[in-house]
Amino acid sequence: SQELEQSPQSLIVQEGKNLTINCTSSKTLYGLYWYKQKYGEGLIFLMMLQKGGEEKSHEKITAKLDEKKQQSSLHITASQPSHAGIYLCGADLMINSGNTPLVFGKGTRLSVIA
Amino acid sequence: NAGVMQNPRHLVRRRGQEARLRCSPMKGHSHVYWYRQLPEEGLKFMVYLQKENIIDESGMPKERFSAEFPKEGPSILRIQQVVRGDSAAYFCASSPLPGNTIYFGEGSWLTVV
Repeated sequence: SQELEQSPQSLIVQEGKNLTINCTSSKTLYGLYWYKQKYGEGLIFLMMLQKGGEEKSHEKITAKLDEKKQQSSLHITASQPSHAGIYLCGADLMINSGNTPLVFGKGTRLSVIA
Repeated sequence: NAGVMQNPRHLVRRRGQEARLRCSPMKGHSHVYWYRQLPEEGLKFMVYLQKENIIDESGMPKERFSAEFPKEGPSILRIQQVVRGDSAAYFCASSPLPGNTIYFGEGSWLTVV
């Protein structure tokens, strides 16, 4: 079974609308990373969350970590065509995970239409 | 400061041939990770290397796949006797220290015909 579940799998929103993507872990989260991938390209690091309740923002993108729910959400305000792409969450699922690789969700494909 | 550099970006191989994918980490990064991305399956960890050492290869198929990160030069992921199922995007990532944020390259797209 998938250790990290992302929802929704895909999302189509109208330009200017807000949206939220969720990432839920079946195990305790010790660090949560959000990346964005454009089709046919690499992953671009967006932000990292480590502490429960932590919230970070970059431009119109905000990510929160709910440690108790083992969940993170990524919220985009006033979406633009440039936000389109695949959003992936990656997680440290082991404490002191220096030698443990990140586990990734399957991604959420976002389309923004005019 | 250049990012993680992967080459080739696209590679076509016939069944039975060998594929070699190269990855140069970001400057100052000595930890390299290889991931494979298959359609509908997401990003799967393959192997984690430090200079001259394999730290974790739990995601590597037991046969035909190997990886190295020599003291000098890029990390190399080698796939021998490729099969159609090896067609995928292979991503390399690097970090300066274990547990730090990892940064990805642009990927190498392997197509086996």
